[in-house]
Amino acid sequence: DAKTTQPTSMDCAEGRAANLPCNHSTISGNEYVYWYRQIHSQGPQYIIHGLKNNETNEMASLIITEDRKSSTLILPHATLRDTAVYYCIVRPTTSGTYKYIFGTGTRLKVLA
Amino acid sequence: GAVVSQHPSWVICKSGTSVKIECRSLDFQATTMFWYRQFPKQSLMLMATSNEGSKATYEQGVEKDKFLINHASLTLSTLTVTSAHPEDSSFYICSARAMGAAEAFFGQGTRLTVV
Repeated sequence: DAKTTQPTSMDCAEGRAANLPCNHSTISGNEYVYWYRQIHSQGPQYIIHGLKNNETNEMASLIITEDRKSSTLILPHATLRDTAVYYCIVRPTTSGTYKYIFGTGTRLKVLA
Repeated sequence: GAVVSQHPSWVICKSGTSVKIECRSLDFQATTMFWYRQFPKQSLMLMATSNEGSKATYEQGVEKDKFLINHASLTLSTLTVTSAHPEDSSFYICSARAMGAAEAFFGQGTRLTVV
């Protein structure tokens, strides 16, 4: 699986958009980008995934660059409850028994 | 989203005893479940992939005789930590993916403390 690189930590003011970058420069053509987050002492929560088109759901938006070497997760209006560690994962295909390998993630702190 | 439930949420056991952790997919069937371990301030580390009706596939460095995995049905996988020692104290998390679904869902985790 392609490796991902994320900043170790970020701060964001409550109510502002949180933009979390992820670098996956060695991504292959069939690999999807997934985002999960983990609030302290809980299991990870699925946020969103995409292949090459931008995606949006009720939680966030995912912007993937045209060359697919990087992506950005956008939380449009961050709240204190969005404070968590955010993981960007690259995984071949959406089906099958392929593993979800977690990197170090970005620790996002939303400030009041 | 789909619900994955772990039991217990936390457990304290004496050194040398065995502990079983259950992972259930409540509203979907999962042919594959994954078991992770997470130490404080670290990321999740994949331990093994649990396949219904067959042997689990363990990651390199994970002792299969110490961490017994059983996936007897499409909704239940268990992880048994045998002869637990204090260094096995950790946060254990399972995840499951429904057949045909793109995303996996995670349980709430089990905090194991071995004293």
